Amino acid sequence: DQQVKQNSPSLSVQEGRISILNCDYTNSMFDYFLWYKKYPAEGPTFLISISSIKDKNEDGRFTVFLNKSAKHLSLHIVPSQPGDSAVYFCAASEWDRDDKIIFGKGTRLHILP
Amino acid sequence: GAGVSQTPSNKVTEKGKYVELRCDPISGHTALYWYRQSLGQGPEFLIYFQGTGAADDSGLPNDRFFAVRPEGSVSTLKIQRTERGDSAVYLCASSLASGNSYNEQFFGPGTRLTVL
Repeated sequence: DQQVKQNSPSLSVQEGRISILNCDYTNSMFDYFLWYKKYPAEGPTFLISISSIKDKNEDGRFTVFLNKSAKHLSLHIVPSQPGDSAVYFCAASEWDRDDKIIFGKGTRLHILP
Repeated sequence: GAGVSQTPSNKVTEKGKYVELRCDPISGHTALYWYRQSLGQGPEFLIYFQGTGAADDSGLPNDRFFAVRPEGSVSTLKIQRTERGDSAVYLCASSLASGNSYNEQFFGPGTRLTVL
């Protein structure tokens, strides 16, 4: 059973517009959430994270929102740029188990010119 | 500085053969992780080392899979009697330490294993 779910396999967004990637989780013990970005033939790279004591974390063009009651988080990228085209993985861990990250299946983001 | 490196980048083998996949972590990183990413899936945790010891091997799918890290640096993932279902990208990651505060995991480019 998937504990971290990314229900959109792909998403296309016009350059300059906002990209919104969604993620749901089922394990109520998760309290640390991460987004990773992956280009072809490369390993995932850490993008941004949020702990459960917050509902928003912002880093430049990237903002992650967490809704604990809905067990939902989202990643906003604004404005979207061509280099943002990649696969984005949502991931989660329990606070005392940051060694064991559970990943979603990923969403492929296409930024259109 | 150098990131996590993995060799080989690609490995093609026949069903039933034995394979070894190598990971060189970032220097000074005491924690090392192996993941497997099957087609259309996200990375799936296999095993985690803190230093030389396997602190958590709960993700290894069966006893055909084994990993070592004898000197607390380089790690080798070993797969015996490979099966077609073992075909995947095997990712290695390392971090400064692990425990009750988050330390970013840095991933290598992976080894693509194909079992014919």
